[in-house]
Amino acid sequence: NAGVMQNPRHLVRRRGQEARLRCSPMKGHSHVYWYRQLPEEGLKFMVYLQKENIIDESGMPKERFSAEFPKEGPSILRIQQVVRGDSAAYFCASSRSSTTGGTNEKLFFGSGTQLSVL
Amino acid sequence: AQSVAQPEDQVNVAEGNPLTVKCTYSVSGNPYLFWYVQYPNRGLQFLLKYITGDNLVKGSYGFEAEFNKSQTSFHLKKPSALVSDSALYFCAVRDKHTGRRALTFGSGTRLQVQP
Repeated sequence: NAGVMQNPRHLVRRRGQEARLRCSPMKGHSHVYWYRQLPEEGLKFMVYLQKENIIDESGMPKERFSAEFPKEGPSILRIQQVVRGDSAAYFCASSRSSTTGGTNEKLFFGSGTQLSVL
Repeated sequence: AQSVAQPEDQVNVAEGNPLTVKCTYSVSGNPYLFWYVQYPNRGLQFLLKYITGDNLVKGSYGFEAEFNKSQTSFHLKKPSALVSDSALYFCAVRDKHTGRRALTFGSGTRLQVQP
């Protein structure tokens, strides 16, 4: 049973380019969360998605950032016109669907994508 | 709003000694509380959670945490530290009674266990 898969592990972009980060949740999980981790800082929530729906995007910057979780395929975090300040580790996590509480509350994290903007 | 405070950036402990990593939280209702551990260049791994019931929660690798409602704390403990416990530890919270499912994480505490 594969865990949460993120790719690429490392992504290098020049300022102004686009970055696309992919996340395939664990089998049976339909909830996906994206977090950003800056050096020596904790994880900052960005966005929470279910299949074809953005549920909570309160942590997303207003411009240049978008996320989707289509019916088929991985969740994508897209950053347009990257700047140096976007350099960070981006983590995806998934959890089961259904009711809250108990095991459904447990998040499973991928190994992250390290984005470096030159 | 929900928030978590981890007051110590780093905790140093000798192998074999007990360890405590502190966490306090703030939610408007009742909390779900979690501890995660991060090893270098890896994602976070779940250690333990408090949902309801006993205030003392036991988790992976011999770790435990005690939920203290009056002090709004959820400190992580282990009776005897191992060098392999050296890692970055994150406390996280979610308010049970809001519709917001996303966890809020603390800034992390680096645990260094010396041989």
